[in-house]
Amino acid sequence: QVQLVQSGAEVKKPGASVKVSCKASGYTFTSYYMHWVRQAPGQGLEWMGQIDPSGGTYYAQKLQGRVTVTRDTSTSTLYMDLSSLRSEDTAVYYCAREGIGATKYFDLWGRGTLVTVSS
Amino acid sequence: QSALTQPASVSGSPGQSITISCTGTSSDVGGYNYVSWYQQHPGKAPKLMIYDVSNRPSGVSNRFSGSKSGDTASLIISGLQAEDEADYYCSSYTSSALPYVFGTGTKVTVL
Repeated sequence: QVQLVQSGAEVKKPGASVKVSCKASGYTFTSYYMHWVRQAPGQGLEWMGQIDPSGGTYYAQKLQGRVTVTRDTSTSTLYMDLSSLRSEDTAVYYCAREGIGATKYFDLWGRGTLVTVSS
Repeated sequence: QSALTQPASVSGSPGQSITISCTGTSSDVGGYNYVSWYQQHPGKAPKLMIYDVSNRPSGVSNRFSGSKSGDTASLIISGLQAEDEADYYCSSYTSSALPYVFGTGTKVTVL
């Protein structure tokens, strides 16, 4: 079954870091671009960053220096590290697969991971 | 990079057709045929409904269609059904430092 299964909800204090995982199954993980998209409560979607099939990464400028996307090809798992957390980082974080061939749309999404930043 | 502009809400009666607009610039919507649309029910992940302006993924109802004119893309839902009540987001590839931009989102209400 083609799916992305994300890790559970997290509660973090301001200044801390969080690492969210996303395990892929049912397809060849390393053939696709993978992305992270977040959604603050009651707000729209915001693209955060990506990792390409060769392992290269690219991030949203506003998150540069705080976000890191990595992957473990042996377990087909994608990760997103966000550091120096602030209250504005409270959001649901989604991993998403880009259609094969760098198609510029997201055809498979995880169910999301709620990260709450609160003192 | 600003979000693409969508109407906050659109409503229609069952069986009617509605159109959701998505306005950007020549650096995103107007510059590429890489506009996609996503449906999101409350508490759920987004679901791809339209890609490359007007293409439907396998399994998506043909009641959903897309188009583009200049810097504005549109999602048309025909034969509106209760299950279509959800939030809808457009997205476009961009030539800016941020490669993907999403719309502000539109809440569709079935009256």
